[in-house]
Amino acid sequence: GENVEQHPSTLSVQEGDSAVIKCTYSDSASNYFPWYKQELGKRPQLIIDIRSNVGEKKDQRIAVTLNKTAKHFSLHITETQPEDSAVYFCAAQEHGMKTSYDKVIFGPGTSLSVIP
Amino acid sequence: EPEVTQTPSHQVTQMGQEVILRCVPISNHLYFYWYRQILGQKVEFLVSFYNNEISEKSEIFDDQFSVERPDGSNFTLKIRSTKLEDSAMYFCASSVKGGNTEAFFGQGTRLTVV
Repeated sequence: GENVEQHPSTLSVQEGDSAVIKCTYSDSASNYFPWYKQELGKRPQLIIDIRSNVGEKKDQRIAVTLNKTAKHFSLHITETQPEDSAVYFCAAQEHGMKTSYDKVIFGPGTSLSVIP
Repeated sequence: EPEVTQTPSHQVTQMGQEVILRCVPISNHLYFYWYRQILGQKVEFLVSFYNNEISEKSEIFDDQFSVERPDGSNFTLKIRSTKLEDSAMYFCASSVKGGNTEAFFGQGTRLTVV
């Protein structure tokens, strides 16, 4: 099955700097890669996603890149703010045994701290 | 904005007891999921459910676990005989369709087995 690795496990940046989180996946059939932000004690919330027919996607200060050949994808946050502090999970959607639905496999998470 | 809702928010149970965690998915969603997150660890897939049957399950989802959609709105996770290691946050999620679409998570139920 799918396996998602994520680095670094913890990341501290100064406010205003950029943060980069990198992930790899194992199943070349995976074709949907969401990123979730989880604040302490709260639910994971989707912040951005990318599909395999796209190499890059941007939404304001957040961007994701995908390299399907290398099975790498990354999250880039620019101009970080203290409210960006959270745990970020990358994920890959693995094809199930049936074709009409899939399951999302999460990476281990990156704890981002933005220092004011 | 529609939300996935879960009850209770926190459940404490004795080891060996049965627990039922409840979820109300977003009303027009057709695909339902349970995930768990042990404190400080990653979110782990348990099971997906579509068209009134389990479509995928992980190795975590053994015979002690079951899911049910007893009516048109609720989606439940039952743990028959809880173990200490079942203590975790359990998240329900739903999506409009299965592939390449966002899964919306509920706020979670914290299960503590003592």
